[in-house]
Amino acid sequence: GAVVSQHPSWVICKSGTSVKIECRSLDFQATTMFWYRQFPKQSLMLMATSNEGSKATYEQGVEKDKFLINHASLTLSTLTVTSAHPEDSSFYICSAHSRSGRAGETQYFGPGTRLLVL
Amino acid sequence: DQQVKQNSPSLSVQEGRISILNCDYTNSMFDYFLWYKKYPAEGPTFLISISSIKDKNEDGRFTVFLNKSAKHLSLHIVPSQPGDSAVYFCAATPTGTASKLTFGTGTRLQVTL
Repeated sequence: GAVVSQHPSWVICKSGTSVKIECRSLDFQATTMFWYRQFPKQSLMLMATSNEGSKATYEQGVEKDKFLINHASLTLSTLTVTSAHPEDSSFYICSAHSRSGRAGETQYFGPGTRLLVL
Repeated sequence: DQQVKQNSPSLSVQEGRISILNCDYTNSMFDYFLWYKKYPAEGPTFLISISSIKDKNEDGRFTVFLNKSAKHLSLHIVPSQPGDSAVYFCAATPTGTASKLTFGTGTRLQVTL
């Protein structure tokens, strides 16, 4: 299947700093990328949908000013956690969607980024 | 409001036996369902899916059953292998949402020797 990478795989930062996470589709063009967050022993919660060249659509309860999403090209989306606080510590996963095929089957997930805010 | 539920957080099955993972949903707009497998510190990988126009889909050792009237689906793995040990998520999406998935809470499957 297609490959999606995320960088960094883990990050530890001080409270108040900003952290940028990159999501890349390595061998296909992704018109849509999704950002999820997973807390321990919980489900993956969709944070936002990112379409190339347009503004991201955020899910209810997700602060757009805190979680900045940029989808500048068909292979790259970035999530910036601004002024991170300990409650933002979580596992962030992106997925990239290909135009071909049905929903989900062509949604390829990255390996995730574990964020720890001290 | 958890629209997709996996009521069993964990399941232990002996190697060679059948593993049955269950999933219930509440949103009647969901019409496409998927199962993902996830290892720790990795992203989910797609396993198998089913459209609401079907009640069964089979792919090798994996079979997904859908009961629309009960809003219930299940994943059967037979025979179970130690490498199947992982967390399994079911997910659902309604028509026309460009793959916007709602995930269940996951079931940790442990296949023992």
